[in-house]
Amino acid sequence: AQSVTQLDSHVSVSEGTPVLLRCNYSSSYSPSLFWYVQHPNKGLQLLLKYTSAATLVKGINGFEAEFKKSETSFHLTKPSAHMSDAAEYFCVVSDFKAAGNKLTFGGGTRVLVKP
Amino acid sequence: GAGVSQSPSNKVTEKGKDVELRCDPISGHTALYWYRQSLGQGLEFLIYFQGNSAPDKSGLPSDRFSAERTGGSVSTLTIQRTQQEDSAVYLCASSFRGLQGTGELFFGEGSRLTVL
Repeated sequence: AQSVTQLDSHVSVSEGTPVLLRCNYSSSYSPSLFWYVQHPNKGLQLLLKYTSAATLVKGINGFEAEFKKSETSFHLTKPSAHMSDAAEYFCVVSDFKAAGNKLTFGGGTRVLVKP
Repeated sequence: GAGVSQSPSNKVTEKGKDVELRCDPISGHTALYWYRQSLGQGLEFLIYFQGNSAPDKSGLPSDRFSAERTGGSVSTLTIQRTQQEDSAVYLCASSFRGLQGTGELFFGEGSRLTVL
């Protein structure tokens, strides 16, 4: 079985300050992990993915995430938030052996960026 | 177009009516997914198509839901005898070979269904 928990449903940051979105996963095998972003009334867009190569993954728009197997975590960070980062973010786990072609999505974290 | 296209973008229907939602994936993508996004529920897997293989229907919530994919391209999700709990945004995504390929899914903007 696989599951993913996003620890914060809402995060509020000031423009120019760091962003941290927390994600913990559960998987029986070796998962692939993704972060997707969804801007209002838009489809989801891939930010970055981890597929068992480097544990520190760099994505688009200055985001990065670190895979920590010992902590079963895949937290998303950005050093300096921009107003355009206001959106909903989804942590996603995929393990073909455990769940075939299903992706399992976390509940989402809505990010508010204050000027 | 270059992206995944879904129609209609918004659909309001009365309880008990049937609805059809359409998805046009990116050309060349063999994998196609339907997900449902409900308020406070996150994204729920519905069905997966890969090439000519039998679809994975394990996420369909009831027998009122069905989907088909014609010619390995366009997909239609049909909900019969709609209920108020079917109100949600239905998202379609396509991928090159699914999770055995790059693993990246490309999502459409969704079809928002409201059942009165």
